[in-house]
Amino acid sequence: NAGVTQTPKFRILKIGQSMTLQCTQDMNHNYMYWYRQDPGMGLKLIYYSVGAGITDKGEVPNGYNVSRSTTEDFPLRLELAAPSQTSVYFCASSNSGKAYEQYFGPGTRLTVT
Amino acid sequence: AQSVTQLGSHVSVSEGALVLLRCNYSSSVPPYLFWYVQYPNQGLQLLLKYTSAATLVKGINGFEAEFKKSETSFHLTKPSAHMSDAAEYFCAVSLQYNNNDMRFGAGTRLTVKP
Repeated sequence: NAGVTQTPKFRILKIGQSMTLQCTQDMNHNYMYWYRQDPGMGLKLIYYSVGAGITDKGEVPNGYNVSRSTTEDFPLRLELAAPSQTSVYFCASSNSGKAYEQYFGPGTRLTVT
Repeated sequence: AQSVTQLGSHVSVSEGALVLLRCNYSSSVPPYLFWYVQYPNQGLQLLLKYTSAATLVKGINGFEAEFKKSETSFHLTKPSAHMSDAAEYFCAVSLQYNNNDMRFGAGTRLTVKP
């Protein structure tokens, strides 16, 4: 199993550009999450999904959108990038039976200038 | 809302010494508590969890943590540090078993000196 994979690993965006961060898991987990990690701060939940077709906002959803058309994929969309979105983004997944045991991807480091 | 505070953004110990990473929580109801470890350029990995069973929780790699309600603490310890323990450690709290409301601390970077 590859676990949770994220692409790209690094990206530099200009203000106002758009991009999609990809996340795929091969563990057949129904729960998936997107977090951002700012320097000196803990992770903050952006969006989460409890299954295909179901998504909901987390603690910091503004400026982002998500979709969940399949169990495996949970892409995160930035429509109009802003410097405040410079961060490291982590995708995670978990099984509903052990929702606390989240498996994390390696992260995407995004810089908006 | 629930929260955690990790005391000390950076802890340095010698190899073989005791590791103590501090975490205090704030919660209006009995919480679920977690410690995660993040190695360089990797995602977070669950070290151990407290889910209202035994107050002394043992995790992977020789780490353990004790839930102390009276002190609202969940400190992480390891009797003898190893070079491979150098990483960033995050304490987290959740009120629901499904973790949609998980809140992470700011992290503590552990350095192990030879």
